[in-house]
Amino acid sequence: NAGVTQTPKFRVLKTGQSMTLLCAQDMNHEYMYWYRQDPGMGLRLIHYSVGEGTTAKGEVPDGYNVSRLKKQNFLLGLESAAPSQTSVYFCASSYRENQPQHFGDGTRLSIL
Amino acid sequence: ELKVEQNPLFLSMQEGKNYTIYCNYSTTSDRLYWYRQDPGKSLESLFVLLSNGAVKQEGRLMASLDTKARLSTLHITAAVHDLSATYFCAVGSPDSNYQLIWGAGTKLIIKP
Repeated sequence: NAGVTQTPKFRVLKTGQSMTLLCAQDMNHEYMYWYRQDPGMGLRLIHYSVGEGTTAKGEVPDGYNVSRLKKQNFLLGLESAAPSQTSVYFCASSYRENQPQHFGDGTRLSIL
Repeated sequence: ELKVEQNPLFLSMQEGKNYTIYCNYSTTSDRLYWYRQDPGKSLESLFVLLSNGAVKQEGRLMASLDTKARLSTLHITAAVHDLSATYFCAVGSPDSNYQLIWGAGTKLIIKP
């Protein structure tokens, strides 16, 4: 059982480039989340989805877009990468809003 | 605005000792979570606390929640080296059923 799978695991971008991070879960969870983790800080929610075809803004949505065309996939896009977006990005999913979130292994993104 | 504070942020202790990590939050919430993260790894759910007075235990870890004091504790009994990790608390936002506000994490090092 793979759980939550994130691709890629590492990426280096130049300022202004675009990219998409993919998150896939095989647990039939309704809720999916994208977080960023920066040194010395807790996780911050970027966007989330409560079901296929739905997305909503979290705490720090600026500069990011998301899509959830299929229940098992949640994509995070950076249209024009900035150095401030250098971070570790985690995807998570949960069955219900009160239940614990299951996390992927993270994507380490550096923007030069 | 909900704020979550953990203390201490760093803790170095000897095997066999007991210690407590504290998680304070600023506004009313009905759900609190504890997670563990090993260096460079994903986050693992430890405990879900959904009511005042809730206490949960797993091995040498015990978590409790006092919603009136807006305080959760994670108690470590007779620490062992394998418990070395960073521990996060996350509190459900009163403004959203889906958003968690995370503490900055407590880095715990247990020396043999």
